[in-house]
Parts: sequence; C-alpha cells; structure tokens
Amino acid sequence: SSELTQDPAVSVALGQTVRITCQGDSLRTSYATWYHQKPGQAPVLVIYGQNNRPSRIPDRFSGSTSGNTASLTITGAQAEDEADYYCNSRDSNTNHVVFGGGTKLTVL
Amino acid sequence: EVQLVESGGGLVQPGGSLRLSCAASGFMFNSYEMNWVRQAPGKGLEWISDIDTTGRTIYYADSVKGRFTVSRDNAKNSLYLQMNGLRAEDTAVYYCARDSRWLPAGGTFDIWGQGTMVTVSS
Repeated sequence: SSELTQDPAVSVALGQTVRITCQGDSLRTSYATWYHQKPGQAPVLVIYGQNNRPSRIPDRFSGSTSGNTASLTITGAQAEDEADYYCNSRDSNTNHVVFGGGTKLTVL
Repeated sequence: EVQLVESGGGLVQPGGSLRLSCAASGFMFNSYEMNWVRQAPGKGLEWISDIDTTGRTIYYADSVKGRFTVSRDNAKNSLYLQMNGLRAEDTAVYYCARDSRWLPAGGTFDIWGQGTMVTVSS
C-alpha cells in the first residue's frame, strides 16, 4: 500500500513535548519529509530524512524513523507551532509521492 | 530571491480545460525536478505530478492520469499543468513545488509557490 496514515488531531500544552506520527509501508524503504502549513499559506518543509532541518527551522523540531513509522517531535512547543502537519514519502514501487492525511496540532 | 509563482487559475465548467503556469526565479530551474500538488478546500495535500529536469520522465497520480499533462520550458524557467476534462473534485488550490533532492528518492519539496485556485463548477 502507498498510503501514509496520520492522526487527524493532536494537542500539546505550551512548552511541552509532542510527537506526531506517520505510518506506511513506503517508509520501510523511503524516508519521510515533514511540512507544516498555517491557514492560507503554502506548506513549509521542516524535517527531511532521518533528522535533517533546513537552516531556518528551529532546533526544537526533530525527526526519527522506526520500521514503517516516521515521527516528528516538537520539544517545547510554541504557540506559533500551531498548524497542520503533513508527512510525505516516495513509493519505490510506483515512484509516486504520497502525502499523509495531515495532523492538526493545537497548542493549548 | 528563490521564488515560484503560479498563475492561470479560475472558474471553469465541468468538462472544461485550464492551463496553469509556474514561473521560477532565483535558482537554476533546469537543475531541479518539479512537482504539482493540490489541496481541495478544507482537505489535505495531494501530490499530482512530478517532472524530471529534462521533461522526459513524468509521473502522474492515478486521479489525474490521462486528463492532466505536465510540461516544462527550461528556457523560460516555467512549469505548466494542462488540465482537461475537469471535474468538480478537481476544485483545489494548485501549488508548484521544487524537489530539493536532499533525499535520493526525492519528495522533499523545499520551495512552494503561493498557489492558484481552480474552481470547477457550472
């Protein structure tokens, strides 16, 4: 299957740690990439590969992968981290890129 | 400044056609694979196509295969999406996105346009 599954919604208290997960068979052979998207804006890449961040992304964002599950962790969540988070990867069988359904993160 | 700017969206009747453009600037366009991603109102992201640097290798999502055609003009730093046989379910914001190739398999979209809205309705 080329689907990626994410929890629809997750919440975290301000300053606490939250993990957002992405599950799918394609993650056994291809790393995930993570994006966040705020209302009315284009997605922004935050984590790619095992645990790589573009320079403009704060170091409170980190990534990991185990088996068929990729995780995005925010350590010390800030109010500005409230957004929709999407994972994607490439399916090695079809060469198609697949997105997860997205996780809406609420910072309480 | 590295930038992607989409244009060409609008209102079209079911069964109609539309051509979207994506103008790239601030980077060597001919060195990057490019993608189209769409987002229906209130929904998640859906990848719809990937075109390699030469324009010879193109992949399409099953939902648009046979109806949409992607092309690029490296001399004009532009990416195109020709959409035919449009359906109500094609209503979405359409983004073009650059694949950074930071991962060997690709799929790492580091630069996105602001999107252009396509509405399919009678």
